[in-house]
Amino acid sequence: SQTIHQWPATLVQPVGSPLSLECTVEGTSNPNLYWYRQAAGRGLQLLFYSVGIGQISSEVPQNLSASRPQDRQFILSSKKLLLSDSGFYLCAWSPKEGGTDTQYFGPGTRLTVL
Amino acid sequence: AQSVTQPDIHITVSEGASLELRCNYSYGATPYLFWYVQSPGQGLQLLLKYFSGDTLVQGIKGFEAEFKRSQSSFNLRKPSVHWSDAAEYFCAVGAGYGQNFVFGPGTRLSVLP
Repeated sequence: SQTIHQWPATLVQPVGSPLSLECTVEGTSNPNLYWYRQAAGRGLQLLFYSVGIGQISSEVPQNLSASRPQDRQFILSSKKLLLSDSGFYLCAWSPKEGGTDTQYFGPGTRLTVL
Repeated sequence: AQSVTQPDIHITVSEGASLELRCNYSYGATPYLFWYVQSPGQGLQLLLKYFSGDTLVQGIKGFEAEFKRSQSSFNLRKPSVHWSDAAEYFCAVGAGYGQNFVFGPGTRLSVLP
């Protein structure tokens, strides 16, 4: 069966510091991968998605970036964090087969920027 | 592009009572429809999904949802709510392409003992 991991689970960072969040998927190959952000009391905002290694699409311009160095690894980064980057970050994957794009989510990373 | 609305921001029900969470979508073709549940501090768990066929779909944890094309709705139901069902519920619509997967704003469910 497929499993999706995210780490760290919780992170507290000062404004202006760098960020690296990692997401890995097990038990599948060539998945679509997604990064979402969920601000306090709000819905999910799609940040990035990837259909393959090195292929990243951005949905919202901001100071975040994403990379996919390996087939089942998706990384969310920032060079300098802003207060507004605080939130709950969720990684998700979906299989390419079937065409229905059912997305499966990881446990999330709680980021607090102080 | 598709869109999703969940008219109820917060619903409170008593344990053992029935539940219906509303979801309305806008999409020009037959959508793929999903319901997810999120417990505090957790990721989203897929409850059920509709792609085609029988308009009444069964999911995990005793939930079901009915697709009504004429009303552009996909409401989630449960006949008897348990205290552990207290969570945030998200409806989502997909078009078969990852970048067009749209979530509703969510409905927070509270359960009274």
